[in-house]
This record gives sequence, structure tokens and C-alpha cells, in this order.
Amino acid sequence: GQNIDQPTEMTATEGAIVQINCTYQTSGFNGLFWYQQHAGEAPTFLSYNVLDGLEEKGRFSSFLSRSKGYSYLLLKELQMKDSASYLCAVRGNNRLAFGKGNQVVVIP
Amino acid sequence: DAMVIQNPRYQVTQFGKPVTLSCSQTLNHNVMYWYQQKSSQAPKLLFHYYDKDFNNEADTPDNFQSRRPNTSFCFLDIRSPGLGDAAMYLCATSRGTSGGDEQYFGPGTRLTVT
Repeated sequence: GQNIDQPTEMTATEGAIVQINCTYQTSGFNGLFWYQQHAGEAPTFLSYNVLDGLEEKGRFSSFLSRSKGYSYLLLKELQMKDSASYLCAVRGNNRLAFGKGNQVVVIP
Repeated sequence: DAMVIQNPRYQVTQFGKPVTLSCSQTLNHNVMYWYQQKSSQAPKLLFHYYDKDFNNEADTPDNFQSRRPNTSFCFLDIRSPGLGDAAMYLCATSRGTSGGDEQYFGPGTRLTVT
């Protein structure tokens, strides 16, 4: 099976940088996704990592270490609209499993 | 412009009364998924179709069924909803099930059981 662990909630100030961690255990790893989910809405795709290292996409970056079963999502220049849950999803043996998500609250 | 559409957005049903949720897509994707998501929890995959091939998750109750009459549409049938089935139901699609095949989600249907 797959096991995904994310911290539950964090608060950060507008303009700051926040790092959201995800650790996972899976067999047949073939990719890790980050999704953003606003309250009451569907998840939307942010990033995909399959090789070790950092993928940068505007204000959002995602890092993967396959040997450590670890990923993080970095959000820079936080904006109020970034208040949302950030879900880590791991594909193993072509099965995708989601974590519970990390709720980020951005305050002025 | 909408890519994955779910109707209705909010559904109220009575305990034990069958209900059907619908999903359609304009992406021409091969795979369609149904997830159940309860408050502050991860989306839980119920089943998916790869083209016409139905793939049920081992722990999905028999109360939940699905139909995919064509590429564009997929339905979730709950035969006898219980109070514990109240949740957000998310439909998603993807080109395939490997590598970077990201999933595109619909807006969800929030089901209330009274």
C-alpha cells in the first residue's frame, strides 16, 4: 500500500515564504504531484516531480528526494489567495494516492 | 471553457433513497475517476474507468456503482445512501495512468443525506 504524511496546518504572513513537507512510502514510485485545494472547491494541479531535485514554476517550487521518500512545496511571496489546502499525491505502481493536505492560512 | 463538469453542485437525498451524480468531460481523456472526500481528509478513490474497463477499489462498498456510457460521461450511483455517505464527490479525468498523467478535477458535488 501507500502511506503519505503531511503536517495539518500552518499560518504565514503575506509576502513570506512557506515550505510544506510531504513524506511517503510506496512501492513502484513513478511520480509525485502537488495540488492546491481551496475550501469547497476541487483540487487544481500545481506541480509534478519524478526525478530528484527542484522544479520551479513561478512563485511555486517543488523538490523531490526519492531515496528519502520526501518532497516539499515552496511558496514564495505569499498572497492572501494562497490560503488553501496543499495536497501531496504519490503515484506508485500506477496508483495515485493523496495525502490529507496541509492547510495554509495567510494573514496580512 | 469548462473541462470537467459535475452536476449538480449540491445534492440532497434521503436516507436509503438512490441518487445519481453525473460527470462529463470535454478533454477526450481515456480515464475517469470518482473520489469521495470528507472534511479535512484526503480524497479517497472509489473507482475509475480506463476507457470501458472498470477498476473498483478493494474497499469501495457495494453500495457505490458507476457507469460510463461513452467517453464523455461517467455516473456515480449510490444505491442506498447512509448518513456516512455525506461527502464531497469529486470526478477527475486523465489521459492515462502512468508517469506525469495529471488528473483534472471537476468542481465536485456536495451530497447531503437527511
